[in-house]
Amino acid sequence: DAMVIQNPRYQVTQFGKPVTLSCSQTLNHNVMYWYQQKSSQAPKLLFHYYDKDFNNEADTPDNFQSRRPNTSFCFLDIRSPGLGDAAMYLCATSSGQGTYNEQFFGPGTRLTVL
Amino acid sequence: AQRVTQPEKLLSVFKGAPVELKCNYSYSGSPELFWYVQYSRQRLQLLLRHISRESIKGFTADLNKGETSFHLKKPFAQEEDSAMYYCALIIGSGGSNYKLTFGKGTLLTVNP
Repeated sequence: DAMVIQNPRYQVTQFGKPVTLSCSQTLNHNVMYWYQQKSSQAPKLLFHYYDKDFNNEADTPDNFQSRRPNTSFCFLDIRSPGLGDAAMYLCATSSGQGTYNEQFFGPGTRLTVL
Repeated sequence: AQRVTQPEKLLSVFKGAPVELKCNYSYSGSPELFWYVQYSRQRLQLLLRHISRESIKGFTADLNKGETSFHLKKPFAQEEDSAMYYCALIIGSGGSNYKLTFGKGTLLTVNP
């Protein structure tokens, strides 16, 4: 089954200790997204890649970085996690952008910061 | 700035009753609206998009530009409809600049 995979599903890190979340896709989609979803909140877009073109949201903290080494993989790096970064992180992909380009979501990685 | 509002965090109905999940938006341009659904222990997935004017799993949603609403409706709710529903708005100026903005979601529970 073509899909979006996120590893790990649960990640625990310490305050200030760098952490990397990974996302892979077998859909061969051009676009990959990272969303942050805090409890009882809407998923919030952090950034996305259109092929190798990186698009950062204006209000995404500098603490959050991303890498896309190839079409299939995309990583979210949190350089110095704070307690406020505890959340569910969702990866999504789409073949393009616009109304007819459905976003396919991964199961998410729940990040806990101790 | 664009915004999506889902006024109800929780909605509980009985099986067979009609259900309406409310969604209002604010956007100065021409909106493109969606409903996404997340069933228990499953990933977020697209339910329907307004431009397709489709009915999926018995759900429909009509865009009302006068009221800036995109409410999701189903005449007879089923227990398997229990899930978290998110209304979402897409904006963009073309190219690689599209962005999906979500509401906070409504948790629908359909009781037997």
